[in-house]
Amino acid sequence: QKEVEQNSGPLSVPEGAIASLNCTYSDRGSQSFFWYRQYSGKSPELIMSIYSNGDKEDGRFTAQLNKASQYVSLLIRDSQPSDSATYLCAVNNDGNKLVFGAGTILRVKS
Amino acid sequence: ETGVTQSPTHLIKTRGQQVTLRCSSQSGHNTVSWYQQALGQGPQFIFQYYREEENGRGNFPPRFSGLQFPNYSSELNVNALELDDSALYLCASRGSFTGELFFGEGSRLTVL
Repeated sequence: QKEVEQNSGPLSVPEGAIASLNCTYSDRGSQSFFWYRQYSGKSPELIMSIYSNGDKEDGRFTAQLNKASQYVSLLIRDSQPSDSATYLCAVNNDGNKLVFGAGTILRVKS
Repeated sequence: ETGVTQSPTHLIKTRGQQVTLRCSSQSGHNTVSWYQQALGQGPQFIFQYYREEENGRGNFPPRFSGLQFPNYSSELNVNALELDDSALYLCASRGSFTGELFFGEGSRLTVL
């Protein structure tokens, strides 16, 4: 079992729709959770961090964490073509390193 | 703009050669870590430095080594390059209390 799992996609949504990206993790002791956006040929860019159960909203982005189910998600409201990218879920469970999933490719069609 | 700069941005080496990648981290961030990202994969943790000492290492062989300098800049050295070392190498600095990592633009290494 991989430590952090994501559906590779591609996930295709129409412009203006809600994109829902999901991630599961295996280490129940994980404490910090992050979403990064990575455009093709570029480095990952941090877009959301979440540390406690529930929802955290920042503009069009909402991160959701459920530690009991070992599940973290990212919702993107009013999706735009510029949101088309690979979204990486990352988990910190030992203070030293982030463990990344392989990423989900999101395509927003205009 | 993360304040983390890396050089060179692209380079090509042949198998068996050695390479040094450099990173200048954000002012005030005394922890720097290096990740390797192969095509189509998420970044993989190589190692982390805190106040010039290695304090965490991933599943990479000893031919991957590093240094952190008093000004918190850092180097990643890879000896005896193999074809599978072809990847994007990412340097990241860490916020002191949040654990958030901020990546530089990366160095893309191609081994022929």
